[in-house]
Order: sequence, then structure tokens, then C-alpha cells
Amino acid sequence: GQNIDQPTEMTATEGAIVQINCTYQTSGFNGLFWYQQHAGEAPTFLSYNVLDGLEEKGRFSSFLSRSKGYSYLLLKELQMKDSASYLCAVRDRNYGQNFVFGPGTRLSVLP
Amino acid sequence: DTEVTQTPKHLVMGMTNKKSLKCEQHMGHRAMYWYKQKAKKPPELMFVYSYEKLSINESVPSRFSPECPNSSLLNLHLHALQPEDSALYLCASSQDPGTDYGYTFGSGTRLTVV
Repeated sequence: GQNIDQPTEMTATEGAIVQINCTYQTSGFNGLFWYQQHAGEAPTFLSYNVLDGLEEKGRFSSFLSRSKGYSYLLLKELQMKDSASYLCAVRDRNYGQNFVFGPGTRLSVLP
Repeated sequence: DTEVTQTPKHLVMGMTNKKSLKCEQHMGHRAMYWYKQKAKKPPELMFVYSYEKLSINESVPSRFSPECPNSSLLNLHLHALQPEDSALYLCASSQDPGTDYGYTFGSGTRLTVV
């Protein structure tokens, strides 16, 4: 089965950098995705990692270590609009290549 | 068109009602999904359609009945729901089930069962 863990809540200051961690355990790992979800809205795709290393996309970067079952999402130059939930989702071969979402991390950006 | 459109946005229904949720995409995606999301919880997969065939049914109660009339449309028929079924119902699509590009989600239908 799947076991995905993320911190429940985080708080950071506008302009700062924040790192949101995600750990997972599965024998069928086939990619990890990060999504942003504002309250009451749909999740939006942020990034995808299937190989070890860092993927950078503007203010957002995502890192993966498959041997450690670990990923993080790095948000730089935080803005108030970055206040949202951040969901990591693992694509699992044991689950028909579908996603299993982690519990999500609620990030609050303060002025 | 790069969107997944869901209707209605809000729905209030009684426990004896029959209603349907609709989802539409015109991106040529061949996989479509229904998720259920309770407040402050992650989305939970309910159904997956791949090339218009139901490929995954996550032990969802029969009071939820999915339908995929064609590659652009996905319906979720609701009948005799319970108050605990109140949630945000999200539709998503992807190029195919093993996509590297993530899912595109619709904005959801907020369902309240009274």
C-alpha cells in the first residue's frame, strides 16, 4: 500500500523561502507530482519528478530522491497569493498508474 | 481550450433525489477521473475512465454511478445519497493514464446532501 506524509501546516513571511517536504513508501513508484490548491478551488499542476534531482520552474523548484522516498517543493520570493494547500501525489504502478495524493500542507504567507 | 468544465458548481439535493454531475473537456485527453474531496483532506480517487472504458472503481457505493458517453464527456449519476456524501467532487483529465504532464482538474461541484 501507499504511505505519503507531509507536514500539516507551515507559516512563512512574504519574500522568504519555504521548503515543503513529502515522504512516501511504495514498491510501484513511477513519478511524483506537486499540486497547488487554493481554498475551494481545483488543484493546479506545479511540477513533476521521476528521476532524482532538482527541477526548477521560476519561483518553484521540486527535488526527488527515489532511494530515500523523499521529495520537497521549494518556493522562493514568497507572495501572499502563495497561501494555499500544497499536495504531493505519487503515481503508482500498483495502482494502475494513477495518483495517490498526500494529506497536503497548508501554507500561510504572512506580510 | 485547455480547461475541464464541470456543472453545476453547487448542488443541494435531498436524500431521495436523483441528480447528475457533468464534466467536459476538449483537449483530446483520453483518461478522465472523478475524485471526492472532503474539507481539509486530499482528493480521493473514485473512478477512472481510460479510452472511454471504466478501468478503476475504487469500491465506491453503488449510489454513485459513472458514465462516459464519449471521449469528451464524463457524468456522475447520484441517487439516494447520504449526508456524509457532501463534499467537493472534482473531475480531472489527462492525455493518457500514464501521463508525465499531470492532470487538469475542473473547478469542482460542491455537493450538499440534506
